[in-house]
Amino acid sequence: QKEVEQNSGPLSVPEGAIASLNCTYSDRVSQSFFWYRQYSGKSPELIMSIYSNGDKEDGRFTAQLNKASQYVSLLIRDSQPSDSATYLCAVEKNNAGNMLTFGGGTRLMVKP
Amino acid sequence: GAVVSQHPSRVICKSGTSVKIECRSLDFQATTMFWYRQFPKQSLMLMATSNEGSKATYEQGVEKDKFLINHASLTLSTLTVTSAHPEDSSFYICSAIGPREGQPQHFGDGTRLSIL
Repeated sequence: QKEVEQNSGPLSVPEGAIASLNCTYSDRVSQSFFWYRQYSGKSPELIMSIYSNGDKEDGRFTAQLNKASQYVSLLIRDSQPSDSATYLCAVEKNNAGNMLTFGGGTRLMVKP
Repeated sequence: GAVVSQHPSRVICKSGTSVKIECRSLDFQATTMFWYRQFPKQSLMLMATSNEGSKATYEQGVEKDKFLINHASLTLSTLTVTSAHPEDSSFYICSAIGPREGQPQHFGDGTRLSIL
């Protein structure tokens, strides 16, 4: 089992719809979780961080964390073509000095 | 927000050349910097972790004599790809983080290295 798993996609949604991106992780004691967006040929850009169970909203983005299920998700409301990118889920390794384990990423395509 | 600058953004050079990539944290002190490599359509692969003032910790399978890392100050880390060959062509990305636990990593813009 991979440490951080994501569906590679592509996930295709129409413009204006909600895009739902999911991630599961194996390390039960992880405490910090991050979503990064990576456009083709560019480096990752931090979108959201979440540390507690529940939802965290920032503009059109909502991160959801369920530590019992070892599951973290990212919802993008009112999806725009400019949201088309690969979304990387990252989980902090326990007691590893802020090292992150990245999922393989989910490619999102928002169609006009 | 935290800004990480990486230079150069693109390098094209002949096989056998050594290439140095710089990573700077512009507005915070980066106690730890990370170096990643990313091949096309693949995810980030951590190469090494660099702590200021100490030797880098390399991931399994990464040759430390080929990928030299120096983290001489709290704002600068360098990666030198020695005697680069075509198989070293990749997208190299650094990230930096401050001392507190749980902080996100902030990435530089990456360096696209092409070895002819």
